[in-house]
Amino acid sequence: GNSVTQMEGPVTLSEEAFLTINCTYTATGYPSLFWYVQYPGEGLQLLLKATKADDKGSNKGFEATYRKETTSFHLEKGSVQVSDSAVYFCALSERGFQKLVFGTGTRLLVSP
Amino acid sequence: DAGVIQSPRHEVTEMGQEVTLRCKPISGHNSLFWYRQTMMRGLELLIYFNNNVPIDDSGMPEDRFSAKMPNASFSTLKIQPSEPRDSAVYFCASSLTSTGNTEAFFGQGTRLTVV
Repeated sequence: GNSVTQMEGPVTLSEEAFLTINCTYTATGYPSLFWYVQYPGEGLQLLLKATKADDKGSNKGFEATYRKETTSFHLEKGSVQVSDSAVYFCALSERGFQKLVFGTGTRLLVSP
Repeated sequence: DAGVIQSPRHEVTEMGQEVTLRCKPISGHNSLFWYRQTMMRGLELLIYFNNNVPIDDSGMPEDRFSAKMPNASFSTLKIQPSEPRDSAVYFCASSLTSTGNTEAFFGQGTRLTVV
């Protein structure tokens, strides 16, 4: 079946540090890939997405590239801010299916 | 649009009581999802509907859980009887999937505590 594996957290960084959160997936077809972010006390919000191989999704300084050869969709940001502290979820949806399959989430803590 | 609206935001109930969680999806969306989030199990898909019809309820924990979508603008998730292990945050999400795009928009969740 389809699945998503994320690196365990928490990831603790100082402000302006470089961020990478690893995500790999298993899927039988050609899924769309997503990163969602959850701030404390809120629901999940779509951060970025990519729908085919080699696509790069980007938003708010975050980027992730759909790598079919390594089945990965790692999230990166060049310089994190305290306001980026949240839980980040990698997810996939198989083409033709509506439901999203989520990873376990990675908590990011950014200190001043 | 106001986004996905869930009510109540918080619910505290006693074991054995019936609990009903409510969701209003974004107008025009044709898919609706119920998720449960706990520290131990993360984010779990309970059930999803497409065009008001339940498509996959394999994530519903047991017969105590039931979900309905009587029309395109309203859904309920009911737990009867409730148990302490049902304590979690329950999220509703909706999406428009007619184009194959499965971007889901989430509500703010209902935090359920069963004592």
